[in-house]
Amino acid sequence: KNEVEQSPQNLTAQEGEFITINCSYSVGISALHWLQQHPGGGIVSLFMLSSGKKKHGRLIATINIQEKHSSLHITASHPRDSAVYICAVKGASNYQLIWGAGTKLIIKP
Amino acid sequence: DTAVSQTPKYLVTQMGNDKSIKCEQNLGHDTMYWYKQDSKKFLKIMFSYNNKELIINETVPNRFSPKSPDKAHLNLHINSLELGDSAVYFCASSLKQGAGLETQYFGPGTRLLVL
Repeated sequence: KNEVEQSPQNLTAQEGEFITINCSYSVGISALHWLQQHPGGGIVSLFMLSSGKKKHGRLIATINIQEKHSSLHITASHPRDSAVYICAVKGASNYQLIWGAGTKLIIKP
Repeated sequence: DTAVSQTPKYLVTQMGNDKSIKCEQNLGHDTMYWYKQDSKKFLKIMFSYNNKELIINETVPNRFSPKSPDKAHLNLHINSLELGDSAVYFCASSLKQGAGLETQYFGPGTRLLVL
């Protein structure tokens, strides 16, 4: 079992739909990151969370430390949101970064 | 202006060859990284350099040798390429050592295919 699990692996939705991507982890962490990888391969960091909730535009990220779970939400989804979304955690005691396998999101017009 | 650039973007080569991937950042950052993304999309850190000095060296075969001629450049040389080396390699930089992912700037990636 991987230390960071994401679900779903693939998600196809219509423009305008509310999107939720989940990330569960099994290790102690100091921070959790959500990143976006565009079809061209470029990676952009979206959020860094250690507790609570963060919002940036149409993106919302939440984390529940007790349940070792984080969610990334996209409101009013748009085709340009189509990308791979990656959850990554930073170990509590070392520099190690543990990455999830990513969720491939396709938003159809 | 490209902040973190990698060359080449695509690299197709045969087993046993030696190849290099170059990375340059024009952000004035002190720290640079190499990551490997495998076919399952897992991204693993390989190396990190701070001001031309190696600070992180994860479990990577000796065939991989990073070289930092100056703090704006971190090149990755791979000897005796193997099929399992096929992956996308990402370079990144951050202002300081120990920076979190949220402050790392990633390059576009180099797709390496070993035949």
